Amino acid sequence: NAGVTQTPKFRVLKTGQSMTLLCAQDMNHEYMYWYRQDPGMGLRLIHYSVGEGTTAKGEVPDGYNVSRLKKQNFLLGLESAAPSQTSVYFCASSLGGEQFFGPGTRLTVL
Amino acid sequence: DAKTTQPPSMDCAEGRAANLPCNHSTISGNEYVYWYRQIHSQGPQYIIHGLKNNETNEMASLIITEDRKSSTLILPHATLRDTAVYYCIVRVETSGTYKYIFGTGTRLKVLA
Repeated sequence: NAGVTQTPKFRVLKTGQSMTLLCAQDMNHEYMYWYRQDPGMGLRLIHYSVGEGTTAKGEVPDGYNVSRLKKQNFLLGLESAAPSQTSVYFCASSLGGEQFFGPGTRLTVL
Repeated sequence: DAKTTQPPSMDCAEGRAANLPCNHSTISGNEYVYWYRQIHSQGPQYIIHGLKNNETNEMASLIITEDRKSSTLILPHATLRDTAVYYCIVRVETSGTYKYIFGTGTRLKVLA
């Protein structure tokens, strides 16, 4: 039982490049979430999903897109990366109660 | 906007109880209070949650005031490994979906 995994762990992008972050969970959870955490700050919700095929915007959705084609996977896309998107990205999943978090992806945009 | 307010930092002596306060004065009747902690830059780890009643588990106790406007997380015998950032979170329900609103947390330092 791997829990929540995130790929990749680290990435460096140039401004304007695109990339996709992958989150996978093996706990059959309905809810999945993408957060970003900037230095010295708490986590801010980017997008979330309440089930396969559904997505919704969180607090800071601009510049990001998401997809939940399979229940176990939640993808976060950056179409045209900007330096302001330099952050640590965390994925989480839950059944509506306790959230389980992944180890994070550290993204730097130059 | 964050629905919780926490002191930015606290120190606690090893072996003593750590009491971490949280204000959530705008909490609604069906919104739960959750506590998580984050050690270094790892993913947050669940500690405990509650709605109205006090709760206890193997990690901590959660005391919620009767008016639900504030709560306190208690680590009964803090160890050096409890040094972390502790987040008090309100779980918001909207049309059957749940979102978790993080504040900026309290950085707890346990001193030897």
